[in-house]
Amino acid sequence: GDSVTQMEGPVTLSEEAFLTINCTYTATGYPSLFWYVQYPGEGLQLLLKATKADDKGSNKGFEATYRKETTSFHLEKGSVQVSDSAVYFCALRRPHSNYQLIWGAGTKLIIKP
Amino acid sequence: NAGVMQNPRHLVRRRGQEARLRCSPMKGHSHVYWYRQLPEEGLKFMVYLQKENIIDESGMPKERFSAEFPKEGPSILRIQQVVRGDSAAYFCASSLGTSGARGEQFFGPGTRLTVL
Repeated sequence: GDSVTQMEGPVTLSEEAFLTINCTYTATGYPSLFWYVQYPGEGLQLLLKATKADDKGSNKGFEATYRKETTSFHLEKGSVQVSDSAVYFCALRRPHSNYQLIWGAGTKLIIKP
Repeated sequence: NAGVMQNPRHLVRRRGQEARLRCSPMKGHSHVYWYRQLPEEGLKFMVYLQKENIIDESGMPKERFSAEFPKEGPSILRIQQVVRGDSAAYFCASSLGTSGARGEQFFGPGTRLTVL
C-alpha cells in the first residue's frame, strides 16, 4: 500500500547550519506531496507542497523538490534558526483521493544557538 | 479568525471508561477529518465527516469508536470502553471543500489521550 518514510529524529543542528530531512514515498500514480510543521503546543501547519513531478515547493526558506525517479521529497533549508525547532511531517495525497493523507512518522528538529 | 480548536488538550482515562474528544472547525469549514497518531508513528486517517454526514470511516476501528458532526456544535470523536492501546494523539482537521485550494486541511493542536 501507499506509504511515506522519513528519516528518524531527533535531528540536532547548530544555528545557521544546512538542513536536510529525507522523505521517500511509495505510491501508485502521481500523488501530491506535502511537508507539514508542528511547533510546540500548536497544530500542524502546511509548510509547502508539490503536486507533480519536478515541482519545487518553497516557503519560509524551506524547499523540497518532487523527484519521481527517486520517489523522494526531501526538505532543505540553507541556514536554520532556533525558531525552526519543531516536528516536521512528510505526507502524500493519493492521486484519486481528494482528502485522505498518508503520513510519515515525523522528524523532530532541534536547533541550538 | 480562530483556527481549528480541539479540547481537551490532554485527557486521562482508566480502562473501560469513555473518552470524548471535541473539534471545532475553522469558521466556514464544513468538512472535518480525524487522524490518530500512535507513539513513534505517523498520523493515520480515521474518518471524514461533512455536516451531519459520515463520508468515509474506512480508517476507524469498527468497534468502540464513533464520530459525529452535528448541524450545531463541534465534531465529536467518541471512544467507548477505552483500552491502553487507544493511548495516542488525536488530531482534527477542517477544510472548505475537497479540491484544489479549498481542500487544504487546517489542523488543530491535537488531544493527547492517555489510558491508565
